[in-house]
Amino acid sequence: EAGVTQFPSHSVIEKGQTVTLRCDPISGHDNLYWYRRVMGKEIKFLLHFVKESKQDESGMPNNRFLAERTGGTYSTLKVQPAELEDSGVYFCASSDYYEQYFGPGTRLTVT
Amino acid sequence: QKEVEQDPGPLSVPEGAIVSLNCTYSNSAFQYFMWYRQYSRKGPELLMYTYSSGNKEDGRFTAQVDKSSKYISLFIRDSQPSDSATYLCAMSRSGGYNKLIFGAGTRLAVHP
Repeated sequence: EAGVTQFPSHSVIEKGQTVTLRCDPISGHDNLYWYRRVMGKEIKFLLHFVKESKQDESGMPNNRFLAERTGGTYSTLKVQPAELEDSGVYFCASSDYYEQYFGPGTRLTVT
Repeated sequence: QKEVEQDPGPLSVPEGAIVSLNCTYSNSAFQYFMWYRQYSRKGPELLMYTYSSGNKEDGRFTAQVDKSSKYISLFIRDSQPSDSATYLCAMSRSGGYNKLIFGAGTRLAVHP
């Protein structure tokens, strides 16, 4: 069974540009989460989808971040416009019940 | 004050040693406790999951939760060089439906 996949693995963009990250959860998992780890900090929650609905977006830092989950399958996280402090590793996780399974992450570098 | 405290290490042990990793937390509402292992440049890999207080064993790994002390532990027996990684504790208030709160992670190095 395929795990959680994320694309791209690494993205380098300039301040002010737009970047879109993609996550494909484990097939059949209704719950999809986005997390972020910035340099030297803990992994922090961003938001939680149940199917296509946003269950909890309390961790989204500001309105430059937009997450969508089309048809309850894959999800995208768009950052527009990107700022230097957005640099970090963005993880996606999915679950069908208790256990959350993480993808390999997307390393975002904003210069 | 952070909700979850975890000593970042690094922790260096010889092969075959018993390793003890710990986290403390402040929110008594946490019910589900997880340990993840993360290799460099990889995503966190779920190792152990425990509900409420008690012990859980899986091979060389044992997870303990003491809710009265707000303290969780992960023990690794007969440690191997392949166990060298960062170990993250994480917890949530209501299972997989709720957000995980992570500790900072402890870097472990097991040397031959």
